[in-house]
Amino acid sequence: SQQGEEDPQALSIQEGENATMNCSYKTSINNLQWYRQNSGRGLVHLILIRSNEREKHSGRLRVTLDTSKKSSSLLITASRAADTASYFCATDAGAAGNKLTFGGGTRVLVKP
Amino acid sequence: DTGVSQDPRHKITKRGQNVTFRCDPISEHNRLYWYRQTLGQGPEFLTYFQNEAQLEKSRLLSDRFSAERPKGSFSTLEIQRTEQGDSAMYLCASSGLSGRALYNEQFFGPGTRLTVL
Repeated sequence: SQQGEEDPQALSIQEGENATMNCSYKTSINNLQWYRQNSGRGLVHLILIRSNEREKHSGRLRVTLDTSKKSSSLLITASRAADTASYFCATDAGAAGNKLTFGGGTRVLVKP
Repeated sequence: DTGVSQDPRHKITKRGQNVTFRCDPISEHNRLYWYRQTLGQGPEFLTYFQNEAQLEKSRLLSDRFSAERPKGSFSTLEIQRTEQGDSAMYLCASSGLSGRALYNEQFFGPGTRLTVL
């Protein structure tokens, strides 16, 4: 079963706009990770935020984590056509070798 | 390229046949994971190894599935008597313990897409 629920399921924006997607989860976590997946390909790790962190930046990416609400958000600023992909949040609850539990993903389309 | 590799990338088989997939993790990583991803969904955990020991298996892993990592390096995932419901992308990931052992990133391979006819 999937722990995370991502919102929205799909997002369509113009190049240059910001894209925001949210992830909610159910159990306590050690960390939360965001991945990108281009159509039919493997997952690319974007950013990891630990349970004791509230915000993290990496380039055009900004991730927030609110453990009291069991939610996280990913913001992509100044989007590019190359950002078109599916984005997944994954939680690491510290069990079973740090296995990841993924949400259903947000499909982002950036129109040029 | 020192990333995670998987072979084959695509496999088409007939129902009832056996298939085997291979994963080569990043060489210094001691943990290896298998996930399955169906169309439009996020990946689901199947099993993981620490070195050569298989330490957990998901309930998704029926007795038709078996995974090995004989020398703590590459891993194989075999599906016996394939069914149409086995059609999915099978993803392998690896991770390594660091000084901050509680926090680890998993690096994924490109996946093997299985189609069972």
